[in-house]
Amino acid sequence: EAQVTQNPRYLITVTGKKLTVTCSQNMNHEYMSWYRQDPGLGLRQIYYSMNVEVTDKGDVPEGYKVSRKEKRNFPLILESPSPNQTSLYFCASSFGTGVSGYTFGSGTRLTVV
Amino acid sequence: EDKVVQSPLSLVVHEGDTVTLNCSYEVTNFRSLLWYKQEKKAPTFLFMLTSSGIEKKSGRLSSILDKKELFSILNITATQTGDSAIYLCAVLGGNQFYFGTGTSLTVIP
Repeated sequence: EAQVTQNPRYLITVTGKKLTVTCSQNMNHEYMSWYRQDPGLGLRQIYYSMNVEVTDKGDVPEGYKVSRKEKRNFPLILESPSPNQTSLYFCASSFGTGVSGYTFGSGTRLTVV
Repeated sequence: EDKVVQSPLSLVVHEGDTVTLNCSYEVTNFRSLLWYKQEKKAPTFLFMLTSSGIEKKSGRLSSILDKKELFSILNITATQTGDSAIYLCAVLGGNQFYFGTGTSLTVIP
């Protein structure tokens, strides 16, 4: 089944403890992206990647890192999480540069206390 | 600054009603506009629009884009309770997507 898989689905952590949210897609998509979704603010892009070893900042990249060593994987790293990073995170992928629309992962609800 | 604005923010209708959701945008290097439906999970793709004046239709849902006036509408006819969701509009400008905050639709039996 074609899908974008994120893990974990739920995560509660403490301030400052490094964490990684994994994202993997099995559709051979070039374009992958991370979003956070907050009430009243909608989906905001954190980072995106147009292909292996090519990543770019989105609208809200501060406090996050990403890497794209393989086409299928695009992990999101929070080196020192803070409470303002409590949010619902989505990974998404698409063919080309995104013009054909995204397939979204199921989301990761992160709480930083 | 690139932005996508959706209206209304929230809508409550009765089953059988017809609704129109609006999306206006100011995004440089416009490439496409997409509509998504989000229930209690990840957004799912509805439509992609790239050309003005060409209606996209899927069952009771339809959408059209006006690239001159920089907006799109999503119509849902004969609404059902299963249409209750947040509807998101996204615009691809260059290589970056910009999302609106969504319209929350509630359909009452």
